[in-house]
Amino acid sequence: GAVVSQHPSWVICKSGTSVKIECRSLDFQATTMFWYRQFPKQSLMLMATSNEGSKATYEQGVEKDKFLINHASLTLSTLTVTSAHPEDSSFYICSASRTGEVREQYFGPGTRLTVT
Amino acid sequence: AQRVTQPEKLLSVFKGAPVELKCNYSYSGSPELFWYVQYSRQRLQLLLRHISRESIKGFTADLNKGETSFHLKKPFAQEEDSAMYYCALMLSSYQLTFGKGTKLSVIP
Repeated sequence: GAVVSQHPSWVICKSGTSVKIECRSLDFQATTMFWYRQFPKQSLMLMATSNEGSKATYEQGVEKDKFLINHASLTLSTLTVTSAHPEDSSFYICSASRTGEVREQYFGPGTRLTVT
Repeated sequence: AQRVTQPEKLLSVFKGAPVELKCNYSYSGSPELFWYVQYSRQRLQLLLRHISRESIKGFTADLNKGETSFHLKKPFAQEEDSAMYYCALMLSSYQLTFGKGTKLSVIP
């Protein structure tokens, strides 16, 4: 149990367009989901914390108007990269915590975004 | 501010040799530490956490508050241990702060 999926696994888009990435908890309910960004050969950097039914909390330096996060249900959070630019190209990873078990995060496989 | 330091980017050991992956942390609160592992082409997965005091796949890690360390150890490395290892600190907000990771390569 505790499987997290992401869709798409990779996406290429043109500069100026928007891209939506989905994160789903397949077999459990997740009140809290987290979005990370990982640059090549670097660590995961937390972008934002997403709580079901409320606004996401963004880390310092992350533009909330550029990285829109929606957590409308207990099994789905979405990250929309708006007006994407080449510097937004990265690996985006989500994780989810089972409701009531906040100390463990289950990670998705990640989404590779390339902006041309 | 909280910080997790993994001083080694790459660690190569021979099969059967002992392994120690270093992790140091800086945090004003009560620390809760984790080790995550990422095998090639796979997602990040939890290896162990300090509060469980467990041994997973032969790996152990002890939290040393005096030295602010949480080193990961295994007495005899196996080829299947080759992977990327991340040390992580959980904040009071349940967010994770990751170290930069250490790539372990076990030489047959």
